[in-house]
Amino acid sequence: QQQVKQSPQSLIVQKGGISIINCAYENTAFDYFPWYQQFPGKGPALLIAIRPDVSEKKEGRFTISFNKSAKQFSLHIMDSQPGDSATYFCAASNGGGADGLTFGKGTHLIIQP
Amino acid sequence: DAGITQSPRHKVTETGTPVTLRCHQTENHRYMYWYRQDPGHGLRLIHYSYGVKDTDKGEVSDGYSVSRSKTEDFLLTLESATSSQTSVYFCAISQGAYGYTFGSGTRLTVV
Repeated sequence: QQQVKQSPQSLIVQKGGISIINCAYENTAFDYFPWYQQFPGKGPALLIAIRPDVSEKKEGRFTISFNKSAKQFSLHIMDSQPGDSATYFCAASNGGGADGLTFGKGTHLIIQP
Repeated sequence: DAGITQSPRHKVTETGTPVTLRCHQTENHRYMYWYRQDPGHGLRLIHYSYGVKDTDKGEVSDGYSVSRSKTEDFLLTLESATSSQTSVYFCAISQGAYGYTFGSGTRLTVV
């Protein structure tokens, strides 16, 4: 049973456009929702994260939108740049347990110049 | 990545041989994790540790064992490697329940 479902698998966006990646979760005990960015040959790096007590968090060009009732959250990348081309993973965890992150399967994002 | 080192970075081994991967941290974080990454599967948790000698199984623990005799080291052992264990292995550390940091990975090929 996949607890975090991520879509789309791949995404192509023109430079300057908005990239949107969506995730849905099933476990209502999850209380921490990070997004990770991964470049080829590197480990995942934390991009931005949100707790369920807020509906939106913005850091620079990156925004997380969170809908607790729908059990969905999404990553928006504004003014997408070629340097944003990477694989993005959403994840979730039950903070009280510290028993690790559950990841989505990833989105391969390509920003075309 | 600062504070977390995985070794080796690359390894090729034969089916049936034992393999040990090492994760070393200098952050004194309590929690350590081993994940494997495969195309189409994202990252899946193998084992994790919440302190010295305290470990637990993750989603895909079959065929793997771990040990943590010191805060800074978390070892992942494949007792008898199989081709299905060809993967990229990532170690992660966490100071609490949030803020996980990942290492650069070990690419393991079992032939």
